[in-house]
Amino acid sequence: EAQVTQNPRYLITVTGKKLTVTCSQNMNHEYMSWYRQDPGLGLRQIYYSMNVEVTDKGDVPEGYKVSRKEKRNFPLILESPSPNQTSLYFCASSLSEQGGLNGYTFGSGTRLTVV
Amino acid sequence: GESVGLHLPTLSVQEGDNSIINCAYSNSASDYFIWYKQESGKGPQFIIDIRSNMDKRQGQRVTVLLNKTVKHLSLQIAATQPGDSAVYFCAEITFSGSARQLTFGSGTQLTVLP
Repeated sequence: EAQVTQNPRYLITVTGKKLTVTCSQNMNHEYMSWYRQDPGLGLRQIYYSMNVEVTDKGDVPEGYKVSRKEKRNFPLILESPSPNQTSLYFCASSLSEQGGLNGYTFGSGTRLTVV
Repeated sequence: GESVGLHLPTLSVQEGDNSIINCAYSNSASDYFIWYKQESGKGPQFIIDIRSNMDKRQGQRVTVLLNKTVKHLSLQIAATQPGDSAVYFCAEITFSGSARQLTFGSGTQLTVLP
């Protein structure tokens, strides 16, 4: 089944403790992206990657890092999480930057709470 | 700044009626628009898209209309069903050379009444 898989689904952590949220897609998509979703603010892009070893900042990149060492994986790294990073995170992929024939495929989300 | 917004945060319709969800955008240079559906506890799911050189596109029970004159996008759902209850987002994509900007609206909660 074609899908984007995020892990974990839920995570509660403490301020300053480094964490990684993994994202993997099995569709051989070139384009991958991370979003955070907050009430009243919709989906905001954190980082995106157009292909292996090519990443760029989205609208809200502060406090996050990403890497794209291989096509299928695009982990989101929070080196020193803070409470304002408490949010619902989504990973998405598409065949091309334009969204391909079916737009972006989203993962099921990661609910992160930083206390 | 550029923004994508929705006129109404909530919409309730009777089962079987048609639903219309609206979206206003301010960037006239946007190239591509997408509608997503997000059910509770799930990630956004692609519904339909439309390129900026089109006025209308139809899918299964859904139609997207694009009015570039007034920068307005709408999603029409025919014969709304209980399974259509969800939050609906519009998103716009703007390309400029190698750069791109993807902006989502804040969403409209559609509730289908029995």
